[in-house]
Amino acid sequence: EAQVTQNPRYLITVTGKKLTVTCSQNMNHEYMSWYRQDPGLGLRQIYYSMNVEVTDKGDVPEGYKVSRKEKRNFPLILESPSPNQTSLYFCASSVRQGMNTEAFFGQGTRLTVV
Amino acid sequence: TQLLEQSPQFLSIQEGENLTVYCNSSSVFSSLQWYRQEPGEGPVLLVTVVTGGEVKKLKRLTFQFGDARKDSSLHITAAQPGDTGLYLCAGRKGNAGKSTFGDGTTLTVKP
Repeated sequence: EAQVTQNPRYLITVTGKKLTVTCSQNMNHEYMSWYRQDPGLGLRQIYYSMNVEVTDKGDVPEGYKVSRKEKRNFPLILESPSPNQTSLYFCASSVRQGMNTEAFFGQGTRLTVV
Repeated sequence: TQLLEQSPQFLSIQEGENLTVYCNSSSVFSSLQWYRQEPGEGPVLLVTVVTGGEVKKLKRLTFQFGDARKDSSLHITAAQPGDTGLYLCAGRKGNAGKSTFGDGTTLTVKP
């Protein structure tokens, strides 16, 4: 089954404790992206990757890192999480980032930083 | 500042009614997508519009891209409870990697 898989689905952590949210897709997609979703703010893009070893900042990259060492995986790293990073996170992938390409989303990771 | 403004933010209607959701911007987009998101799930693509003035239909849903490619609308005819969900529009500029989402319209259709 074609899918984007995020882990974990739920995470509660403390301020400053490094964490990684994994994202994996089995569709051989070139393009992958991370978003955060907050009430009243919609989905905001954090980072995206056009291909292996190619990453770039979205609209809200501060406090986050990503890596794209292989096509199927695109982990999101929070080196020193803070409470304002409490949010619902989504990973998405598509064949490529073109005008007509469909983005497939994972089921989300709900992160709480206390 | 939200680049894409959706209205209304919340909409609660009875089954069988018609409704329209709007997605407006001062920027021009190469394409605009509409997604539907259910609680606990990621967004699912409904349609992509790329040409100014384009109209696409998906069963009871009609999507239109504005002539100037700055705005879009989603019209649902004879809404059903299964249409309940969060509707999101998202704009792209060319083949650049960035996507901009509106803050969504939460639709509730009561039986």
